[in-house]
Amino acid sequence: GAVVSQHPSWVICKSGTSVKIECRSLDFQATTMFWYRQFPKQSLMLMATSNEGSKATYEQGVEKDKFLINHASLTLSTLTVTSAHPEDSSFYICSASGTGLQETQYFGPGTRLLVL
Amino acid sequence: RKEVEQDPGPFNVPEGATVAFNCTYSNSASQSFFWYRQDCRKEPKLLMSVYSSGNEDGRFTAQLNRASQYISLLIRDSKLSDSATYLCVVASNQGGKLIFGQGTELSVKP
Repeated sequence: GAVVSQHPSWVICKSGTSVKIECRSLDFQATTMFWYRQFPKQSLMLMATSNEGSKATYEQGVEKDKFLINHASLTLSTLTVTSAHPEDSSFYICSASGTGLQETQYFGPGTRLLVL
Repeated sequence: RKEVEQDPGPFNVPEGATVAFNCTYSNSASQSFFWYRQDCRKEPKLLMSVYSSGNEDGRFTAQLNRASQYISLLIRDSKLSDSATYLCVVASNQGGKLIFGQGTELSVKP
């Protein structure tokens, strides 16, 4: 149980385009979803926390207008990287936690983004 | 100063060796502590939680020292499959946020 999926698993896009990444909890209701970014040889950095039905809370230094997060249902959150640039190339990972899971975060498999 | 600090390694050890990783954290109000394992180009996976009393899971032993704000992970009888990056993770007292260390890379050689 407690499976989280992400789609797509990898994406290559041209600079200036927008990319949407989906995070789904497959067998539980995710009251909270977290979005992380990881650059090579670095730790996971939390970008934002989203609770179903409310606005996401962004970490310091993360532009909310560039990284749009929507958590419209208890099983789906989306991250849209708007007007992507090469420096946005990274490994984006979501995690989800829900009631009855003792606040454990379950991680999705990640999405590798390459912006040319 | 980083909130969670780890020696990035790499640690290169032979099969069967015992290896220990250390981690320090800066926020004394931190609530929960974990070790995660991350394989190359994959998501992190929970290895074990860490308790003040110490806990063991097979070949893995984790220890927490709240007074020193120090966490450790001991791996006994290393296997080739233990090669990965080990992430020290601290849960803050703010809405379940996890703070990840940089990770310590382990390479177990035959």
